[in-house]
Amino acid sequence: AQSVTQLGSHVSVSEGALVLLRCNYSSSVPPYLFWYVQYPNQGLQLLLKYTTGATLVKGINGFEAEFKKSETSFHLTKPSAHMSDAAEYFCAVTSNSGYSTLTFGKGTMLLVSP
Amino acid sequence: EAQVTQNPRYLITVTGKKLTVTCSQNMNHEYMSWYRQDPGLGLRQIYYSMNVEVTDKGDVPEGYKVSRKEKRNFPLILESPSPNQTSLYFCASRSSTGNTEAFFGQGTRLTVV
Repeated sequence: AQSVTQLGSHVSVSEGALVLLRCNYSSSVPPYLFWYVQYPNQGLQLLLKYTTGATLVKGINGFEAEFKKSETSFHLTKPSAHMSDAAEYFCAVTSNSGYSTLTFGKGTMLLVSP
Repeated sequence: EAQVTQNPRYLITVTGKKLTVTCSQNMNHEYMSWYRQDPGLGLRQIYYSMNVEVTDKGDVPEGYKVSRKEKRNFPLILESPSPNQTSLYFCASRSSTGNTEAFFGQGTRLTVV
């Protein structure tokens, strides 16, 4: 079984401030981890993913995330928030063991103020 | 262009009137899934398919049906919709090998009155 916990349903930052969105996972096999972003009235768009190899992964729009096995975490960061980053962010986990469901966290709404 | 196409984008219907939401992908992906998104609950998987004629229940299958007669299509069927099925629905597809990124459709906002 696998699960994802996103800490904080809403996170507010000022424009230019650091963005930190937290994601912890549980998985009985080596995980594949993803962050997706959803802008209003749109589908989900992949921000970045970790499958194997380098544990610090860079994605689109200046976001990055670090896979920490010991902490079972995959937190999403961006050094400087922009107004256009305001959206809902979802962390998700799957694995490479046959068919594995893609399991999502409940999402974190990022609010960016001027 | 690689894409997942859902139709319709918006639908208002009445309780008990059968409806179908279509989903088509052009990436030759084996895996396809349906999710519903509700405030505070994230995305929950309704049904998934590992290949043609292979489907299985996800976490919230009650009140839904699916079929996978062709690899590219995965329609979601609500035989007798009820108000608690009012939600935002997403279809997704992904490859069974290598890159496991899921591609999502634009969503279908369903209201059952």
